Amino acid sequence: QVTLRESGPAVVKPTRSLTLTCTFSGFSLTTSGMCVNWIRQPPGKALEWLARIDWDEDKYYTTSLMTRLSISKDTSRNQVVLTMTNMDPVDTATYYCARVSGGVPGDRSSFDYWGQGILVTVSS
Amino acid sequence: QSVLTQPPSVSAAPGQTVTMSCAGTASNIGSRSVSWYQQLPGTAPKLLIYDNNKRPSGIPDRFSGSKSGTSATLGITGLQTGDEADYYCGAWDKCLSNAVFGGGTKLTVL
Repeated sequence: QVTLRESGPAVVKPTRSLTLTCTFSGFSLTTSGMCVNWIRQPPGKALEWLARIDWDEDKYYTTSLMTRLSISKDTSRNQVVLTMTNMDPVDTATYYCARVSGGVPGDRSSFDYWGQGILVTVSS
Repeated sequence: QSVLTQPPSVSAAPGQTVTMSCAGTASNIGSRSVSWYQQLPGTAPKLLIYDNNKRPSGIPDRFSGSKSGTSATLGITGLQTGDEADYYCGAWDKCLSNAVFGGGTKLTVL
């Protein structure tokens, strides 16, 4: 049974950094083709993909936020960590982690399992 | 501004059939596979369609997907009130090296 769960602060002050952890079970991020992604959704708005880390350590970031994002993994603990610097109220959103399993190289974007999401509010 | 373009809303009566579109470009839908997600109010998105037209285990065959050129379509037959949700299309963009989504379509079952 595959599960993912996001954890982190509910409130972050402007200009501070946000660190979110995705703890997963039911699969290994050492298995070829496995990827974990971060996706966010501001209240009432659309989904926005943020970042991805692959089983082989490849990393991808959304172009618009690339300078503020960092993704890493701890395979021994089955965790993926996303750090976003210089938080702003416009970054208020529900943040999801989601798995990609398999797919052909260069076309891995089918998110088959999602966490429940964590609402992060940026406010002083 | 989402990379993929979806109509903001569609509506139909229970039992009817509805389709919703997703328009992209050659660098995403035109050259990569499309996925569709259903997001019920207050919940995380759920994968409905992957690889343009495949359904994960447990997704009823009332849901179907197709792709032609740089556009994709999600179809739902035998509409139920429980199908009221936001629907998102997604794909990989080979030029951006990013996953991209549409702005979402809100389905209302009248």
